[in-house]
Amino acid sequence: GENVEQHPSTLSVQEGDSAVIKCTYSDSASNYFPWYKQELGKRPQLIIDIRSNVGEKKDQRIAVTLNKTAKHFSLHITETQPEDSAVYFCAAPGEETSYDKVIFGPGTSLSVIP
Amino acid sequence: NAGVMQNPRHLVRRRGQEARLRCSPMKGHSHVYWYRQLPEEGLKFMVYLQKENIIDESGMPKERFSAEFPKEGPSILRIQQVVRGDSAAYFCASSGGTENTEAFFGQGTRLTVV
Repeated sequence: GENVEQHPSTLSVQEGDSAVIKCTYSDSASNYFPWYKQELGKRPQLIIDIRSNVGEKKDQRIAVTLNKTAKHFSLHITETQPEDSAVYFCAAPGEETSYDKVIFGPGTSLSVIP
Repeated sequence: NAGVMQNPRHLVRRRGQEARLRCSPMKGHSHVYWYRQLPEEGLKFMVYLQKENIIDESGMPKERFSAEFPKEGPSILRIQQVVRGDSAAYFCASSGGTENTEAFFGQGTRLTVV
């Protein structure tokens, strides 16, 4: 089955700096990679996703890049703000033939220091 | 669209009692997933269900845990004879079931076993 690894597990940045979180996956057939943000005590919410037919996707201050050959994808947050502080989870499909079941990485706790 | 509804939000059970967690998926969604999140940890896949079918229960403990998604009504995650280690947040997510669709999460049920 799919194995998703995520690094770093914790990340502290100064407000205004960039933050990068990297994930690797094992199933080469995976083709959908969402990122979720979970604020303390709240539900995970999708912030951006990428499909394997593109290498990069941007949405304002966040972007995701995908390298299918190396089987890794990264979340980039620019001009970080205190409200970006949260736990971020990457995910990849858990089954080659079932794209709806996603397996989450262990999470990265991001702290943005004002 | 009310989104994914989970109840109760908080549940306290004594050791040995049964816990029943309910999840109503978003309108039009027929796929439901249950995840467990221990304090300070990530989201662990438990079970993936479609109406009246368990598709994948590979993440669910073999004993004491069961899940169902009947033709009518919410999905139920049932934990029998709860132990302290079952204390966690249990999140339900639903999706439309077509390829590469976003999974929306409910608010979660925080189970505390005393």
